[in-house]
Parts: sequence; structure tokens; C-alpha cells
Amino acid sequence: GQQLNQSPQSMFIQEGEDVSMNCTSSSIFNTWLWYKQDPGEGPVLLIALYKAGELTSNGRLTAQFGITRKDSFLNISASIPSDVGIYFCAGRMDAGGTSYGKLTFGQGTILTVHP
Amino acid sequence: NAGVMQNPRHLVRRRGQEARLRCSPMKGHSHVYWYRQLPEEGLKFMVYLQKENIIDESGMPKERFSAEFPKEGPSILRIQQVVRGDSAAYFCASSPSPDTQYFGPGTRLTVL
Repeated sequence: GQQLNQSPQSMFIQEGEDVSMNCTSSSIFNTWLWYKQDPGEGPVLLIALYKAGELTSNGRLTAQFGITRKDSFLNISASIPSDVGIYFCAGRMDAGGTSYGKLTFGQGTILTVHP
Repeated sequence: NAGVMQNPRHLVRRRGQEARLRCSPMKGHSHVYWYRQLPEEGLKFMVYLQKENIIDESGMPKERFSAEFPKEGPSILRIQQVVRGDSAAYFCASSPSPDTQYFGPGTRLTVL
């Protein structure tokens, strides 16, 4: 089945530093999504990417949809303590049929920000 | 507009009992998805439902697990004869179309 490899698994950074994480896939996805999950909560959507090569920003977050449609990265600039959490990439086929809407998630990147 | 609601938030069951997890989608959302998350792992797709129909259940175990989304009321994920390996967080997501999915806070199931 489809698999997403997300790296790094964890990051320990100082407040104010920039962060970069990425996801690669063995399969093509037509949509890439980045979510953040806080302890004991469900994932919250940060950025959605719908087009190969697309670069999208949301405040201090920037994400790109790889040209090959098999990868994506997320950057966080000038990190702050509330950025702490687990970040997940997710891909969606949008190919129609019964797989339409189903998300495949990466394993997550645990981010720790030291004040 | 209230978000996706799931209850209970925590559920403890003994081996062999049944677990029923409920998900109320956001108002106006007719698409519901269930995912399972094991500790320190990403979410794994289980089943996709629209009102009264199962669209894709390719991620759901064939035995003991079932899901429904009736015309009225919440979506239910039912696990019969639970085993320790069923212990996980179960998340429901809803969307107005097969597009952006909004997740609920999850139900943490512990099987003793």
C-alpha cells in the first residue's frame, strides 16, 4: 500500500530558529496536507497544497508540493514555544472511485522548542 | 458552528467486551472518515462513509469492526470482542465534500 516517509522523527530547537521537515512517498498524490497535533487532541489542518510545484504560506509556515508529486516540505520560521507538537504530512489521491478523500499519513515529526 | 464531536473521550473496556465510539460531524457535513492512531504513529485510515452508505472500508479489519452513519444521528464505530491490540486513539473527521477533513478530538480506547 501507499507509504509516506516523514523526516526527521524529532527535532529539538531553540526559540527563534527556523525548522524544516519533509515527506516522501513511493506513490503520487494529487493533494498534500500538513497537520499539527497537540497532546490529547485531534490533528488541525495547517496548510493544503493542490498543485505540483505550489508554494503556499500561512503566517510563519511555508509548504511546497514537489514537482514529482511524491514529496512535500514544511518550513516554520522564527519558532516560538507554542509551535511545540507533532506535525504530520498527509497525501490524498483525489482519483475518484472509492479512494476519493482517504488520507495517508506520515509517521509524524515531534517538535520541541526550548525558550 | 461546533466542530466535530466525539464521545466518549476516553473508554476503558475489558477483553471480550464491546466498544462503541460515536462521532457527530460538523453541521452540514455528510462525509465521515474514521482513522486509528497507535502510540507514536501516524493516523491510519479505516473507513469512509456518507449518509447511510459505506464508501470505502479498505482500512478496516474484516472481523469484529463495523461502522455506520445513519440518516439521523451520529456515526458509530463498533468494535466487538475487543482485544488488547485494539487499544489506540480513534479519530473521526468530517467534510462537506471529499475535500478538507476536519478532525474531532478523538476517543482513547484502553483494553484491559
